Amino acid sequence: DGGITQSPKYLFRKEGQNVTLSCEQNLNHDAMYWYRQDPGQGLRLIYYSQIVNDFQKGDIAEGYSVSREKKESFPLTVTSAQKNPTAFYLCASSKGLAGGTTDTQYFGPGTRLTVL
Amino acid sequence: QKEVEQNSGPLSVPEGAIASLNCTYSDRGSQSFFWYRQYSGKSPELIMFIYSNGDKEDGRFTAQLNKASQYVSLLIRDSQPSDSATYLCAASSGGSNYKLTFGKGTLLTVNP
Repeated sequence: DGGITQSPKYLFRKEGQNVTLSCEQNLNHDAMYWYRQDPGQGLRLIYYSQIVNDFQKGDIAEGYSVSREKKESFPLTVTSAQKNPTAFYLCASSKGLAGGTTDTQYFGPGTRLTVL
Repeated sequence: QKEVEQNSGPLSVPEGAIASLNCTYSDRGSQSFFWYRQYSGKSPELIMFIYSNGDKEDGRFTAQLNKASQYVSLLIRDSQPSDSATYLCAASSGGSNYKLTFGKGTLLTVNP
């Protein structure tokens, strides 16, 4: 059963804590992405990775960090430097370069992070 | 600042009607365009993508692209209550699909 999994579904964080959100895919996709969605807002790109051991900052990378040690996994750490981390976090994956103009991003179920 | 604007909602249509969702984009370099459906509390799911001028049909859904006007639309024929959701329009940035710019979405309600 191919797809993208994210865990946990809900996460509560105290101020000053770092937390890590998990994202795993078994679609054999090269590219993976992290987005943030706030109520009534579009998705904003945090980081993306086109290949293992390489990743690029998106539009709102400050206060976040990522790693891409395996093709299947792209964890996101929300650090204490992120001033307003309460949001819905979405991981996505795509074929990447192999997809060309028709490359399409597919989303995982999301993690809802709340800062207490 | 690259932007994607969607027609302000919410949009309400009766069951069986055609729902029309519109989107304009500012980046003339955008090549690919995507429509996602997002149910409340859930993640976006892909409905269609389009990259050539004209119409593309898939079942009850038709995407329309006019690059000269920088305009994308999604028509939903024979709307069903299960189509009630927020519809997100996204445009590729520059020459690749790695960076997508998303609109804020249009909330569609289909009334039985």
